[in-house]
Formats: sequence, structure tokens, C-alpha cells
Amino acid sequence: AQSVTQLGSHVSVSEGALVLLRCNYSSSVPPYLFWYVQYPNQGLQLLLKYTTGATLVKGINGFEAEFKKSETSFHLTKPSAHMSDAAEYFCAVTLSTGGFKTIFGAGTRLFVKA
Amino acid sequence: GAVVSQHPSWVICKSGTSVKIECRSLDFQATTMFWYRQFPKQSLMLMATSNEGSKATYEQGVEKDKFLINHASLTLSTLTVTSAHPEDSSFYICSARDLGVVPYEQYFGPGTRLTVT
Repeated sequence: AQSVTQLGSHVSVSEGALVLLRCNYSSSVPPYLFWYVQYPNQGLQLLLKYTTGATLVKGINGFEAEFKKSETSFHLTKPSAHMSDAAEYFCAVTLSTGGFKTIFGAGTRLFVKA
Repeated sequence: GAVVSQHPSWVICKSGTSVKIECRSLDFQATTMFWYRQFPKQSLMLMATSNEGSKATYEQGVEKDKFLINHASLTLSTLTVTSAHPEDSSFYICSARDLGVVPYEQYFGPGTRLTVT
């Protein structure tokens, strides 16, 4: 069965510091991988996605993620955190089997300190 | 990009009443729509999958008689919470796909905050 694990329910960084949010998945078939951001009382905003091709994908707001098949990981990074990055981040996996359902990780709350 | 709307954005209802939430794809045809539920400070849990013109498929543990889902057209799916109770209070989010175009792409609505008093 597919699953998504986000290591660390809370991550705190200083403004200007590197952001690293971890995501590991389990899947029996090649996955489609996504990162979403959610601000309080709002819906999800797509940050970036991996479908096929280049394993390093760039998204909005300076975020990027690298698909590492051997490690079954899709960690999200940003070189320099901004106060506006403080939000909840969700990693998600969609499989082509089972009707393209999406499974979400538990989420990581990012705090950015001034 | 594709836009999905939800209505209402928030609703308060009394215990025992029913409430309907609409999910619309505004500029594409959604062959499949998904309904998620999100409790405070938690992740999204898939409740059901609805395909246009057919019955919804519910995830294990979701009461299909309580959460009625209808996908009558390619642009509209509705979720009706029947005989609502305070424990049904949650944030409900829909998403929509067009499986015939780009099947892995899904577009999320802004969510509906339901409070049952």
C-alpha cells in the first residue's frame, strides 16, 4: 500500500536560513509526487510536482525538490527562508493505479524566526 | 490554470440539520472529483471519490449514508452532510481531475469550514 511519511511535524528555521522539509514515500509503482502549502483557513496551493523526467524540480516561491528513487524520498528545500514561508506543508503521492487517488503526508508546520 | 470553487466557504448549522457543499470546476470538465476532510492541525483524509454519472466510492470508515455525494455533471459535485453533529465540524476540501487529459493533475477548491452547534 502506498504511504507518505513526513519527518518532523514542526520545523523551525531563522529567516534567511535553509529550509529542508523531508518526505519519504512507499509505492509499488512509479509515483507522481507533489508538495503543497496551506496557509491558515485556506485551501492547498501547489508548490511543485514530479511526474517524469528531470528529478530536480523547481517550484514557486523559490522552492525545489529532488526525487530520489533509491531513497524513496522527495525532500523540499529552499535556500533562504522568508517570514512569508511560515505555513503548513504537505507532501502527497498519486499513483496511476487505483483511480489516481492521492495520499497526503501528515504535514509539517514551518516556523520562521526573525 | 484550472479553477475549482466551493460554496459556501463557511457554514454554521444546528445539530440534526443537513448541509450541502458544492464543488465546481469553472473552466474544465471534471470527470472525477475527490472529497477530503481536514481536522484542525491535521492532514487531509480522503473521504470519497466521485465520477460523473456514477455512484461515489467511499473510503473505509466513511459513512456513505451520512456523507451523500452526487456528481451529476462534469462541472459539479455536491457533498451533503446529513443529520450533522458537532463531531462533523471540520474543513472540507474538494479536488477535481480530468482523467482524460492529464490524469495526475488535480485542482483543489478553497475549502468549506463547517461548524455544527
